[in-house]
Amino acid sequence: DQQVKQNSPSLSVQEGRISILNCDYTNSMFDYFLWYKKYPAEGPTFLISISSIKDKNEDGRFTVFLNKSAKHLSLHIVPSQPGDSAVYFCAASGFSPDSWGKLQFGAGTQVVVTP
Amino acid sequence: NAGVTQTPKFQVLKTGQSMTLQCAQDMNHNSMYWYRQDPGMGLRLIYYSASEGTTDKGEVPNGYNVSRLNKREFSLRLESAAPSQTSVYFCASSEQGREKLFFGSGTQLSVL
Repeated sequence: DQQVKQNSPSLSVQEGRISILNCDYTNSMFDYFLWYKKYPAEGPTFLISISSIKDKNEDGRFTVFLNKSAKHLSLHIVPSQPGDSAVYFCAASGFSPDSWGKLQFGAGTQVVVTP
Repeated sequence: NAGVTQTPKFQVLKTGQSMTLQCAQDMNHNSMYWYRQDPGMGLRLIYYSASEGTTDKGEVPNGYNVSRLNKREFSLRLESAAPSQTSVYFCASSEQGREKLFFGSGTQLSVL
């Protein structure tokens, strides 16, 4: 059973507008969350992360919000650019050292940014 | 700036054949991982190595073996390939495990 769920397989957004990607998790032991971006024929690359002690983390155009009570996180991209067209994966890990790096991934959301 | 290098990039096998996927990283990372990506499933952990000399099973280890040859290299072996092992395989590394993972570009494997 998937412990990290991205319920929207795809998202289309106009250039310059906001992209909002959602992710839900079921395991309350998760305390560290990451977003990865993947282009075709390449490996995922790290985008942004957030620890459970925070509810928001910002890095340039990318902001991740964490709602622990709802077991929900979201990634906001503002403004969206054509180069943001990619698959975005949400991932989570637990707080015990032996679970670090053993990420649980969602199925991904394909983002298409149109001119 | 090679990062994580995987070979081969593509491979076609017949059922029952064996092969080894190679992975090397040049970032002096302690931890290395093998993931597989299947449509609609995200990435799933096959095996990982927290440090040189140690390996451990992940979520989907059946049908695979691994070897942490040294700090740089972590190989994944399919002893008797099955069609269910058709997938894209990614190797990754991290300095300590908690931080972000760095991924290779993947190996597309088809088992006929």
